[in-house]
Amino acid sequence: SQQGEEDPQALSIQEGENATMNCSYKTSINNLQWYRQNSGRGLVHLILIRSNEREKHSGRLRVTLDTSKKSSSLLITASRAADTASYFCATQNTGGFKTIFGAGTRLFVKA
Amino acid sequence: IAGITQAPTSQILAAGRRMTLRCTQDMRHNAMYWYRQDLGLGLRLIHYSNTAGTTGKGEVPDGYSVSRANTDDFPLTLASAVPSQTSVYFCASSAPGDTQYFGPGTRLTVL
Repeated sequence: SQQGEEDPQALSIQEGENATMNCSYKTSINNLQWYRQNSGRGLVHLILIRSNEREKHSGRLRVTLDTSKKSSSLLITASRAADTASYFCATQNTGGFKTIFGAGTRLFVKA
Repeated sequence: IAGITQAPTSQILAAGRRMTLRCTQDMRHNAMYWYRQDLGLGLRLIHYSNTAGTTGKGEVPDGYSVSRANTDDFPLTLASAVPSQTSVYFCASSAPGDTQYFGPGTRLTVL
């Protein structure tokens, strides 16, 4: 069963706009991670947020975590065509090893 | 070696054959993981290992086995391949409960 579920499934925006992707999960977690995958390639780690953190930033990326609602969001500001990719959230359980990925959000940024 | 490597890059296999996918990391990470990614979907955890000598089952372990004889290597074996095991397989490693680093993947087709 999928723990993390992203929405929307697909998102198409213009360059310069912000993109927001959401992730919901079902059980207690140790941390939540966001990854990016370009077509046909491996996954690249973006941000890890621990269960006792509420917000993290990295460059144009902002991740929030609401453990009471079991949800997280990834915001990409001032998007670029090069941001076109699939974005996945993944949760790790309190033991820190079992990782469950969502089905991903496919982001298309039009130049 | 820099990071995490997988071999082979791709493989076409007849159903019923045995196949071992190789994964090696040079980051001295205790934890290693095997995932499969089916077309248009997120990753599903097959098996994991939290340290050399120990392994655990993930979300979809049936038909697969792993071993962890040392810190660096984590091979995945399909004892008797079936067409439903056609997928892209990703290996990853991490410090426990921390960012996962992914290999480039092995594209496996079982006919």
